[in-house]
Amino acid sequence: GAGVSQSPSNKVTEKGKDVELRCDPISGHTALYWYRQSLGQGLEFLIYFQGNSAPDKSGLPSDRFSAERTGGSVSTLTIQRTQQEDSAVYLCASSLGQATNYGYTFGSGTRLTVV
Amino acid sequence: GDSVTQMEGPVTLSEEAFLTINCTYTATGYPSLFWYVQYPGEGLQLLLKATKADDKGSNKGFEATYRKETTSFHLEKGSVQVSDSAVYFCASSSGSARQLTFGSGTQLTVLP
Repeated sequence: GAGVSQSPSNKVTEKGKDVELRCDPISGHTALYWYRQSLGQGLEFLIYFQGNSAPDKSGLPSDRFSAERTGGSVSTLTIQRTQQEDSAVYLCASSLGQATNYGYTFGSGTRLTVV
Repeated sequence: GDSVTQMEGPVTLSEEAFLTINCTYTATGYPSLFWYVQYPGEGLQLLLKATKADDKGSNKGFEATYRKETTSFHLEKGSVQVSDSAVYFCASSSGSARQLTFGSGTQLTVLP
């Protein structure tokens, strides 16, 4: 597609439930990133996929968080047993190659509210 | 690891005022530097970038110069407009890092 697409745009869930957030990157972009933006905070790196390489999961805050990328394209971020502190905007970005050279193209994000 | 520090907001200016948002970085090697802008209700958009020392990135009247000696990448605009109201993020990416490191963002409000 023309841009990075994320769904849903808003999600309200009850504490303890699992949620899945979807990201559809720009066609041909080999790199895909997930970040979290909490109220009044900067962007917190979560996970990075590059082509068929093993993902860099170093930013995932706990084992309740996981992500996968199928066929080198669409990615799903899953949060199990959600907690109120998981409330944030989850941003997906894709890049043609190394972020050093190209920067990112971001999606509009999914606003997650855990009640 | 890499880190980015930018001036805290919020910043409130009158239309046509001069804007500076300070950004400094620490990184191994020589990072690429970026400014992103997030308009209300939208995702982050790349505003400008610079990939080596003394480079000047520019876009939409905004400029930032990569200063290696002061490890800075301050964002400037000579005359802001109401439509520039947004949150601005400074970011860096060194060659050894595979992702961008972002500052905490600066909220800019321009009043008519």
